[in-house]
Amino acid sequence: GQQLNQSPQSMFIQEGEDVSMNCTSSSIFNTWLWYKQDPGEGPVLLIALYKAGELTSNGRLTAQFGITRKDSFLNISASIPSDVGIYFCAGAPFTSGTYKYIFGTGTRLKVLA
Amino acid sequence: GAVVSQHPSRVICKSGTSVKIECRSLDFQATTMFWYRQFPKQSLMLMATSNEGSKATYEQGVEKDKFLINHASLTLSTLTVTSAHPEDSSFYICSAIINGELFFGEGSRLTVL
Repeated sequence: GQQLNQSPQSMFIQEGEDVSMNCTSSSIFNTWLWYKQDPGEGPVLLIALYKAGELTSNGRLTAQFGITRKDSFLNISASIPSDVGIYFCAGAPFTSGTYKYIFGTGTRLKVLA
Repeated sequence: GAVVSQHPSRVICKSGTSVKIECRSLDFQATTMFWYRQFPKQSLMLMATSNEGSKATYEQGVEKDKFLINHASLTLSTLTVTSAHPEDSSFYICSAIINGELFFGEGSRLTVL
């Protein structure tokens, strides 16, 4: 199935550092979602973006919907150990009245205390 | 709190048996639910869209006779893996849409011996 290109694939950072990851697509999306997944659990929604250029924050997390509607990025500021996990972007074109989200390949984040 | 609940969280079965996984929407009615599959260290792949009162829509390459989906009520969708084989071992996650945002269940880890 189709996937979004997400980078970086993995990253090790020191506690307190800022983190940035992004997703790009060849298709135009109407919605971008960002998730965090812990081992053995379902993904948890972090931020939802609905408009091109939109910048939205959730605590230390900030995400933007790219102007071209083909990309999005997620920033985490002042990382802490509990930020460890896998982050996924997801995008959806709105077709036929429902959302079929396509997921990015994931960014595995490890925070060194 | 959780808006989608999935059961069981873990199941181990013998090859050739069938396994049913339940997905419930909590405190809201979901006419559409989505079933995803995730292999270790990989992203989420959409398997099918479950539609209340009608047949499920399967993604390309997903065998509808192998993965039976029933959405008999507005709060319950079930996925039955029929005649399971070791290659069906995976993490199965259901989800539902609320206001354009996709919320996931806890996931079900299937291991076929």
